[in-house]
Amino acid sequence: GAGVSQSPSNKVTEKGKDVELRCDPISGHTALYWYRQSLGQGLEFLIYFQGNSAPDKSGLPSDRFSAERTGGSVSTLTIQRTQQEDSAVYLCASISSGGSYNEQFFGPGTRLTVL
Amino acid sequence: GENVEQHPSTLSVQEGDSAVIKCTYSDSASNYFPWYKQELGKRPQLIIDIRSNVGEKKDQRIAVTLNKTAKHFSLHITETQPEDSAVYFCAASGSNTGKLIFGQGTTLQVKP
Repeated sequence: GAGVSQSPSNKVTEKGKDVELRCDPISGHTALYWYRQSLGQGLEFLIYFQGNSAPDKSGLPSDRFSAERTGGSVSTLTIQRTQQEDSAVYLCASISSGGSYNEQFFGPGTRLTVL
Repeated sequence: GENVEQHPSTLSVQEGDSAVIKCTYSDSASNYFPWYKQELGKRPQLIIDIRSNVGEKKDQRIAVTLNKTAKHFSLHITETQPEDSAVYFCAASGSNTGKLIFGQGTTLQVKP
């Protein structure tokens, strides 16, 4: 089956604009995670979904960041009023069930550049 | 808060030599420790993982050791090959959510 997919692969936007990043997890995976990877850095946890609910949003950097998940599948990460420090690669990952200690499968990421 | 420290940040070895990357974690509740390999421009891929009830795990040329008392875990790659060159990330997880806390990464260069 298909792996985790993300779109767009690259996004260039101007400071102050809103952006939406999309993640399609592996079919049947109930848990979904968003991470952010700044240049030369490790991955930083943003938010966790179990089904359509987000029991852990502790990693969202500010209230400009939000995410939703519908139908227990596709997730969208929205960044409002983008700032230059938001430039990074945004990765999502899915797993068959949250909290289980098995492999998180990563998508290819969306590279966001804020000018 | 939860934190994972990873050392060294860069590592250069000759082909055939061994490479060791070390991580320490702060959350004593952590009980799952995966290692990911990320090639340039690619997504992270799991190479090995270990759970807290095990002290060591081996898969061909790769091994991971865990010392829960000291909150240390390490990745060992033997007989390194040029294709092992990549960025390696350690991570720790212990919450009910399964979220991963990552180290800062180690850039491994294997010289032919």
